[in-house]
Amino acid sequence: DTEVTQTPKHLVMGMTNKKSLKCEQHMGHRAMYWYKQKAKKPPELMFVYSYEKLSINESVPSRFSPECPNSSLLNLHLHALQPEDSALYLCASSQVRGTGNYEQYFGPGTRLTVT
Amino acid sequence: QKEVEQNSGPLSVPEGAIASLNCTYSDRGSQSFFWYRQYSGKSPELIMSIYSNGDKEDGRFTAQLNKASQYVSLLIRDSQPSDSATYLCAVNPGASKIIFGSGTRLSIRP
Repeated sequence: DTEVTQTPKHLVMGMTNKKSLKCEQHMGHRAMYWYKQKAKKPPELMFVYSYEKLSINESVPSRFSPECPNSSLLNLHLHALQPEDSALYLCASSQVRGTGNYEQYFGPGTRLTVT
Repeated sequence: QKEVEQNSGPLSVPEGAIASLNCTYSDRGSQSFFWYRQYSGKSPELIMSIYSNGDKEDGRFTAQLNKASQYVSLLIRDSQPSDSATYLCAVNPGASKIIFGSGTRLSIRP
């Protein structure tokens, strides 16, 4: 089973709203990722959690706040977003291996529109 | 210089022909290489991973890796209209991150 689930599928929010994106995997993976993807661009890494600890923050603005409650769940809390934050937000997971083999499996994404 | 480079395309290939997608990378220490397929409006789907020099075959797909030339390619045999998508090359330079190329748009014409 290589399934990563994300909710909601679509989200429209105003610039003063607070919302959360959720991601879940049951593959026993210990690394989870958030990416942002704009149209006709590749996914852009935002955060990496390894063993439930934040290991990489790619200088993401503080209006995006990640949380990893346990090894299967990953949240992205959104607050005071800007219209340019509208994008497809992708969650991925992978095993953690010493050899550097990181096959990442992506969820279906959340299409976010900020009005 | 971009870390992972791909020709953006579109690459147009007749149905039944071989589609050849290419990718170069800049970090010589990279150990893991991946090809993802992404349909419009969908998320990336892992189709091939390769770690050693040479060829790796899986059904109609063959990944080729040449670390000396810092080059990785994907061949799709007997191309089908359902293969029309954007193909993303991704490289793991170390640690937990992978670096994506900008993607090649492939169009299979009937």
